[in-house]
Amino acid sequence: AAGVIQSPRHLIKEKRETATLKCYPIPRHDTVYWYQQGPGQDPQFLISFYEKMQSDKGSIPDRFSAQQFSDYHSELNMSSLELGDSALYFCASSSWGLAGVRFFGPGTRLTVL
Amino acid sequence: AQSVTQPDIHITVSEGASLELRCNYSYGATPYLFWYVQSPGQGLQLLLKYFSGDTLVQGIKGFEAEFKRSQSSFNLRKPSVHWSDAAEYFCAVAHGSSNTGKLIFGQGTTLQVKP
Repeated sequence: AAGVIQSPRHLIKEKRETATLKCYPIPRHDTVYWYQQGPGQDPQFLISFYEKMQSDKGSIPDRFSAQQFSDYHSELNMSSLELGDSALYFCASSSWGLAGVRFFGPGTRLTVL
Repeated sequence: AQSVTQPDIHITVSEGASLELRCNYSYGATPYLFWYVQSPGQGLQLLLKYFSGDTLVQGIKGFEAEFKRSQSSFNLRKPSVHWSDAAEYFCAVAHGSSNTGKLIFGQGTTLQVKP
């Protein structure tokens, strides 16, 4: 069965650089969630989209932005990267018919040097 | 505000022994509760969820959890642990009145399995 795809799986950037993380939800899923998990931490909600519209916003820095495209994939854009942005970034997808079940992707590990 | 607390940061059990991971939530209405498992460097896999109905829910890999409103708890159990169960376990609650709201995670419990 198809799963949530995230790319790249690993990314190394320098401070003050930009990064773009991509998430491809399971086909026919209309909702995408982004989470950030620091080392040894629990996942923290960043932002979510439903039908290409932002549905909720969490602790996402102003340096980050995200959007969901017409094909339902989503991109998380991160600018002016800081050392503290080093984390595992998860994307999860869901659909209304799944009664709240979210499927998580494998994550993108971002390292900022 | 909704919150989730996992009191045990680290638990070690022997293979074949029973397991209970604790989870307490804070929410006024009926919560939507989840348990996820995460292997090192991997994504989060859903073990089970509770939305309503029977308070004892069965999940994958032989796990079950019981929702106890009086204790604001949703503890995860397994009668006999396998070495492959060693992982990080997260309890989560969906924010708001919908089961599609953002998930609020507990701090996680690391399970170590002794041979």
